[in-house]
This record gives sequence, C-alpha cells and structure tokens, in this order.
Amino acid sequence: LAKTTQPISMDSYEGQEVNITCSHNNIATNDYITWYQQFPSQGPRFIIQGYKTKVTNEVASLFIPADRKSSTLSLPRVSLSDTAVYYCLVAQWGSARQLTFGSGTQLTVLP
Amino acid sequence: SQTIHQWPATLVQPVGSPLSLECTVEGTSNPNLYWYRQAAGRGLQLLFYSVGIGQISSEVPQNLSASRPQDRQFILSSKKLLLSDSGFYLCAWSVQANYGYTFGSGTRLTVV
Repeated sequence: LAKTTQPISMDSYEGQEVNITCSHNNIATNDYITWYQQFPSQGPRFIIQGYKTKVTNEVASLFIPADRKSSTLSLPRVSLSDTAVYYCLVAQWGSARQLTFGSGTQLTVLP
Repeated sequence: SQTIHQWPATLVQPVGSPLSLECTVEGTSNPNLYWYRQAAGRGLQLLFYSVGIGQISSEVPQNLSASRPQDRQFILSSKKLLLSDSGFYLCAWSVQANYGYTFGSGTRLTVV
C-alpha cells in the first residue's frame, strides 16, 4: 500500500495560487490519487482525482508527473474560505479498501 | 441523489457505558460503507469497512465493533467505552468503480 507524505502546514494570502505537493514513492500501477478537503468538525469532501498528467475541474487542478511518485494539488486564487486541511490519498481504483488518511496539510489563507 | 445521514451530531458518554452510532445511506444500492475516527488534530483512521450486508472488515483491533444489518445501514458499537474512544467519528460510503468517498457530517464523541 502506497504511503503518502505531505507538508504539515502552509500559509498563503488571498488571491494567490497555492500548490500542495504529496509524495507517494511506492505508488502501484493500479493506484489512483485523490485529494480531499476537510473543514473543522465536518467530514472530508472530495476535491479531485487523477491517474496521470493533469486533471482540472471547477475547484482545482491536479498535476501528476510521468513517474507518478508525487502529485500536486493546485488551488487557483485562494480565498479565506479555502482554509482547511487537505488530504492526499493513493488507492486502487474500485477497491473496497481505503487507505488510512494521513495527517494532511493545514492550509491557512491570510487576508 | 445520494445522501448519507449520521447521528447523533454530538454525544457525551461516561466511561464504561455502551455506544451505538448509526449511519444510513439513501439513493444508492449495495454501497461500500466505512467508519473512520479522527482524534483531535490528527488524520482520519479507518476503523471498519463493509462491502455488503453482514460483511465487516476491521482495520484496527479495539473495543469497538461494527454491524451492517441492512444494505444501507452501518452501525458502530461498543459495550464499554474507554476514555481513548473520544474523537470525531465519520461514516462514509462509496460505490465500487466510482471515484471518491462521500462522508457524513460526523459524531463528536466525548467519553468522560
């Protein structure tokens, strides 16, 4: 099972682009990369998922290099409401088993 | 659309008392169901998951148990709570071959 490593915390200012990188050196061929956002006292919310190259949706972009040993979540023009914990998970597509979430990255957006 | 219900939102229980947290999912059939726990300032820890009625897999040995009496119902239980059982409990569901997991709103359990 692939283990993930993320920075514990990051600070940013409103309007800036934020990039959070996750390392997953032993990712398997069948593994997908998924990012979640969690606000205090709420359950995590799915943000984006990808397998390789680049994925973009209305909320974020996910960049995955060719070796897939890392991934970067990009949040464009963050606002104060983007202050949250962001989790990176690596798991096999369609698998009933879900990896334990790590400690995530606490993103604090400052005015 | 699919929704997930989890209750109660908060719970304060004395040490040694029993526990029963319930989670139900609407709008889907045969979901994969999960129970997670999050200690203060920590990441989420997978406790149990279920791929079908009566099928429970435990990830962490402890004094908690889970049951799935119906397709869309998942129950987390304990016979005797410990102080270390305090935390934020989250139920989640997913559909195999779908992406992402949908979480409930959580139960804040404080054992005193």
